[in-house]
Amino acid sequence: DIQMTQSPSSLSASVGDRVTITCRASQSIRSSLNWYQQKPGKAPKLLISVASSLQSGVPSRFSGSGSGTDFTLTINSLQPEDFATYYCQQSHSSPVYSFGQGTKLEIK
Amino acid sequence: EVQLVESGGGLVAPGGSLRLSCAASGFTFSTYNMNWVRQAPGKGLEWLSYIDYTSSSINYADSVKGRFTVSRDNAKNSLYLQMNSLRAEDTAVYYCAREDLVVVPAVSHYFDYWGRGILVTVSS
Repeated sequence: DIQMTQSPSSLSASVGDRVTITCRASQSIRSSLNWYQQKPGKAPKLLISVASSLQSGVPSRFSGSGSGTDFTLTINSLQPEDFATYYCQQSHSSPVYSFGQGTKLEIK
Repeated sequence: EVQLVESGGGLVAPGGSLRLSCAASGFTFSTYNMNWVRQAPGKGLEWLSYIDYTSSSINYADSVKGRFTVSRDNAKNSLYLQMNSLRAEDTAVYYCAREDLVVVPAVSHYFDYWGRGILVTVSS
């Protein structure tokens, strides 16, 4: 099974900051990496697919990069609505999937 | 508008059974693969099960294999999860999620729509 490890597990930042979240796969997953945002009490929302493809309607301050085993989600100029938990997901082993443990982004 | 609405959750005793449903609307359900994902209280997302659009390909996470059964009824635009031999650790919010894919630059799958989730509590 492919294990996904995110770092950090939690992160404190201020409005206007730039933050980076890392996701590492236990083996190469090429570009089969998705990022989701989840707010308390809500369902996850797809932000980025195929490592770097921004979903329609997602602000351009979000970006993703990486391939193989190492991936990053970057949020430029944090906005109040960005404080949430972020998850990476690998789909390389489709139709068996796995998520990272999540990164909680909190307001400093 | 794509909508996924889960139902059938609630409180069940350990060892008991429950059947979750996910009603789909706003898209051609019969052409999409579907998944179940759960989230234990205060924990992360855990993928549980996959079913392709024809029900010919089905997969499960090891944690539920042999206890949970996924199915669908395309005529009713519905996805199901039959959960047997429930344990306290199965307590979670259960989500159904639609799967889509891209083929450029490479084939890659993702979950583009999710239901709001339904709570299942396993407790005596």
